[in-house]
Amino acid sequence: EDKVVQSPLSLVVHEGDTVTLNCSYEVTNFRSLLWYKQEKKAPTFLFMLTSSGIEKKSGRLSSILDKKELFSILNITATQTGDSAIYLCAVRQGGNQFYFGTGTSLTVIP
Amino acid sequence: GAGVSQSPSNKVTEKGKDVELRCDPISGHTALYWYRQSLGQGLEFLIYFQGNSAPDKSGLPSDRFSAERTGGSVSTLTIQRTQQEDSAVYLCASSGTGLNEKLFFGSGTQLSVL
Repeated sequence: EDKVVQSPLSLVVHEGDTVTLNCSYEVTNFRSLLWYKQEKKAPTFLFMLTSSGIEKKSGRLSSILDKKELFSILNITATQTGDSAIYLCAVRQGGNQFYFGTGTSLTVIP
Repeated sequence: GAGVSQSPSNKVTEKGKDVELRCDPISGHTALYWYRQSLGQGLEFLIYFQGNSAPDKSGLPSDRFSAERTGGSVSTLTIQRTQQEDSAVYLCASSGTGLNEKLFFGSGTQLSVL
């Protein structure tokens, strides 16, 4: 059965801390892995990863994929209260189906 | 439009009534997805349309749920004889090709069944 597992389920940190969110997957015919940030209703796109070992970076956020060990991490450095959200990991199959994890709820305390 | 548009943004209905949720995808996107998200839960896949191919309905939870996509663009998700457990946020997303291969989400419809 195809699945995506995220950990931890929730995380509470103080402003300025660095956090690492994990996403492991077992999906046949892997095509890409995506990270989204969900603050209210609509998830917003962060990164799309297709190749192992190549870090994608946007400001304080970065992500990397390991296709051998079947996982990805999302790092957030110098966290701010605006980073509080649910972070979703999704894997796209070759057949265009997307499998989502249950998300990691991040709370950043001032 | 510039983004995925969903309507209504909120819907309150009585148990047993039928509801229709609308999704207008990004122009040119051939793939359209419906997901459901219950409070505190992840995204549950419902149905997927790709071009003129037969839709993948494997995620629909019961035969009370149906969806159609007219003219390869606008999609309507219909829930018949709504139940309280249908209360959730219904998210629509579309995707294209290449750099647009990722999912672009609408703002969702919050459905509350009383």
